Amino acid sequence: AQSVTQLGSHVSVSEGALVLLRCNYSSSVPPYLFWYVQYPNQGLQLLLKYTSAATLVKGINGFEAEFKKSETSFHLTKPSAHMSDAAEYFCAVSDRAGSARQLTFGSGTQLTVLP
Amino acid sequence: NAGVTQTPKFQVLKTGQSMTLQCAQDMNHEYMSWYRQDPGMGLRLIHYSVGAGITDQGEVPNGYNVSRSTTEDFPLRLLSAAPSQTSVYFCASSSNNSPLHFGNGTRLTVT
Repeated sequence: AQSVTQLGSHVSVSEGALVLLRCNYSSSVPPYLFWYVQYPNQGLQLLLKYTSAATLVKGINGFEAEFKKSETSFHLTKPSAHMSDAAEYFCAVSDRAGSARQLTFGSGTQLTVLP
Repeated sequence: NAGVTQTPKFQVLKTGQSMTLQCAQDMNHEYMSWYRQDPGMGLRLIHYSVGAGITDQGEVPNGYNVSRSTTEDFPLRLLSAAPSQTSVYFCASSSNNSPLHFGNGTRLTVT
């Protein structure tokens, strides 16, 4: 069975500081990995995805994530936080080999950006 | 292009009442699914459908029914609501194994 652990349910950073949101996964098949963002009162939007190509994946809004198989990690980073980055972020892993749509989600990390 | 549309946005039910959460997509996606989102638990899959006439259970199907009579619509039915079903419900769709497109959710409270 697949599982996702997001370390830190709440993360606060100052505007302009590095954003680092942690995600570790467990998967019995070669994983596809995803980061989604949820703004208040909205659905989830795809930030980026790893589907077994390049291990460093670039997404929208300046975010990127690196797939590290040896560490079973897929941490999300952004060099400089902006106030508009305040949202909840979810890491997800595919439930089946090669699936981008049957996913197991982590519990989420709420990002607060301080002025 | 509306994408995935969920109605209603908010709903309050009494224990034992029934209701249907509506989900419609205009992208001709063959795959549709329902998730519930609870604090500290992320999103959990309730039911999904890989095409009209085909549905299957996800991680937490108990208390919910679905049907898929058309490609566009995938309603979620609560036959007898319970307080444990208080949650935010999201519908999502996908085509050709592309990443999920989510609706804006329905916030349900069962008293």
